[in-house]
Amino acid sequence: QKEVEQDPGPLSVPEGAIVSLNCTYSNSAFQYFMWYRQYSRKGPELLMYTYSSGNKEDGRFTAQVDKSSKYISLFIRDSQPSDSATYLCAMIPMNRDDKIIFGKGTRLHILP
Amino acid sequence: GAVVSQHPSWVICKSGTSVKIECRSLDFQATTMFWYRQFPKQSLMLMATSNEGSKATYEQGVEKDKFLINHASLTLSTLTVTSAHPEDSSFYICSARDWRQETQYFGPGTRLLVL
Repeated sequence: QKEVEQDPGPLSVPEGAIVSLNCTYSNSAFQYFMWYRQYSRKGPELLMYTYSSGNKEDGRFTAQVDKSSKYISLFIRDSQPSDSATYLCAMIPMNRDDKIIFGKGTRLHILP
Repeated sequence: GAVVSQHPSWVICKSGTSVKIECRSLDFQATTMFWYRQFPKQSLMLMATSNEGSKATYEQGVEKDKFLINHASLTLSTLTVTSAHPEDSSFYICSARDWRQETQYFGPGTRLLVL
């Protein structure tokens, strides 16, 4: 079983819809969770980071962590065509010297 | 959010030449920086972990003599692709860990094309 599982998509939704992106993980040592957005031919851009279970909101984005189920989500409200990108979940274990572990990324297309 | 810069953003060179890519953390000190490689529509592949003042740690299969990494200061790491060949053409991305926030920021990437 891979440490982090993420559906590669592509996921296509109409403009204005709520998008739900998810990752599951197997290592309970993961303590820090991040979501990155990567446009084609660009470096990943940090969208959200959190270290506790529950929800964290920033504008149209909400990150949700459920450590008991080893499941994290990113919700995008009022999706826009400019949200079309690849979204990567990422995690760092409690031992901060360890490498960050990425999901494979989900390609998202917002249809105008 | 924190900013990581990378220079150059793209480079075209002849086979056999060496190319240096710089990565800088602009508003925080990064004791640890990372170098990734990414092929089109593929995932990020970690090449090496760079710690300030010490030798880099390379991932399995990455030639340390081919990809020279220097982490000279808390805000600067460089990757030198020595004697580049067409198969080294790729998108190289650096990343810096911000211990204040327990997270990691990425540079914009450098596209390398070796002719």
